[in-house]
Amino acid sequence: DAKTTQPNSMESNEEEPVHLPCNHSTISGTDYIHWYRQLPSQGPEYVIHGLTSNVNNRMASLAIAEDRKSSTLILHRATLRDAAVYYCILRDGGNQGGKLIFGQGTELSVKP
Amino acid sequence: GAVVSQHPSRVICKSGTSVKIECRSLDFQATTMFWYRQFPKQSLMLMATSNEGSKATYEQGVEKDKFLINHASLTLSTLTVTSAHPEDSSFYICSARVPWGANEKLFFGSGTQLSVL
Repeated sequence: DAKTTQPNSMESNEEEPVHLPCNHSTISGTDYIHWYRQLPSQGPEYVIHGLTSNVNNRMASLAIAEDRKSSTLILHRATLRDAAVYYCILRDGGNQGGKLIFGQGTELSVKP
Repeated sequence: GAVVSQHPSRVICKSGTSVKIECRSLDFQATTMFWYRQFPKQSLMLMATSNEGSKATYEQGVEKDKFLINHASLTLSTLTVTSAHPEDSSFYICSARVPWGANEKLFFGSGTQLSVL
């Protein structure tokens, strides 16, 4: 599985945008970029995913570099409830049974 | 969205006993479920892939006789930690793959905190 690299931790102020970076220089053509987040003492929850084009949903936006070697998860207005560990994961789109292998993720703290 | 229910949320047991954790997909049929464990301040580690009606596929280093997985129906997978010891204390999380859409996402249970005394 191709690997991802994320900063260990980031801080944000409440109601400000947050940009969470992820590097995946060995990404293959069939790899989708997935983002999940895990709140304390809970299972992870899906945030967003994409292949080549930027994606938006009600939770966040995903900006994917043109060469696909990096991506950025954007939370437009951070709230205290967004404090979590955010995982950037590559998932092989050619393998529909593909498992998710989690890296270390970025621990986001949000200050009031 | 799809809901995955995991039970119990917390269990405390004595060393040497076995503990069963259930993972249910409430509003969809899950042919594939995954089991993870997570130690404090660490990431999730995939233990095994559970396929309905067939044997589970275990990741390297995971003892299949220690962690018994059964996926007897399309909505239920169970993980049994046999003869649990304190080093098995961990947060166990299941997830299920929804059978629709392109590159489908996974939905996760809320996790089970196992403490072995």
